[in-house]
Amino acid sequence: DQQVKQNSPSLSVQEGRISILNCDYTNSMFDYFLWYKKYPAEGPTFLISISSIKDKNEDGRFTVFLNKSAKHLSLHIVPSQPGDSAVYFCAAAFGNEKLTFGTGTRLTIIP
Amino acid sequence: GAVVSQHPSWVICKSGTSVKIECRSLDFQATTMFWYRQFPKQSLMLMATSNEGSKATYEQGVEKDKFLINHASLTLSTLTVTSAHPEDSSFYICSARDRPGGNTIYFGEGSWLTVV
Repeated sequence: DQQVKQNSPSLSVQEGRISILNCDYTNSMFDYFLWYKKYPAEGPTFLISISSIKDKNEDGRFTVFLNKSAKHLSLHIVPSQPGDSAVYFCAAAFGNEKLTFGTGTRLTIIP
Repeated sequence: GAVVSQHPSWVICKSGTSVKIECRSLDFQATTMFWYRQFPKQSLMLMATSNEGSKATYEQGVEKDKFLINHASLTLSTLTVTSAHPEDSSFYICSARDRPGGNTIYFGEGSWLTVV
């Protein structure tokens, strides 16, 4: 049972444009959401997070939007840069500290 | 910022042998650390929660006698893969929250295990 889903396994975006990565979840108990960036054979790097009491959090080029009624969150990267090419994972947690990860979306920024 | 370090980064071992992976929190004390595993082209899957001074909590389907976890201090947790088999070959990653109730979880660099 995949509680956190990233339905797009890959995404290609032109440099300078906006990248939008999507994530859906099924467990309404989740109250904290995170986005991670991962390069091959490396550990994930934390990007940005959002609590369920908010619907938007912004940090530089990264903005995360949360739609609780739709159980959907998205990560916007603008402007996209070549160094943003990586696999992006969304993750969700509730109460305890365990994270449930999505399956990842491979983002490729085209110069 | 908070740093979590793993060692070794990669290791090759023979089938039937055991291998230990260390996870250290370098500038903070972590009462709880988490061990994940990632197979190629798949998501990170939680294996177990490592609690300092007590037994680890394993996720369903993870053999606790095969994946031994020891969290003897507030800055070190170890994962030992015992009697390793080729199907144990994977990328193992640990993580820790930088403070109780904190909102950010930091991950180690990961350890790539190949069992031949």
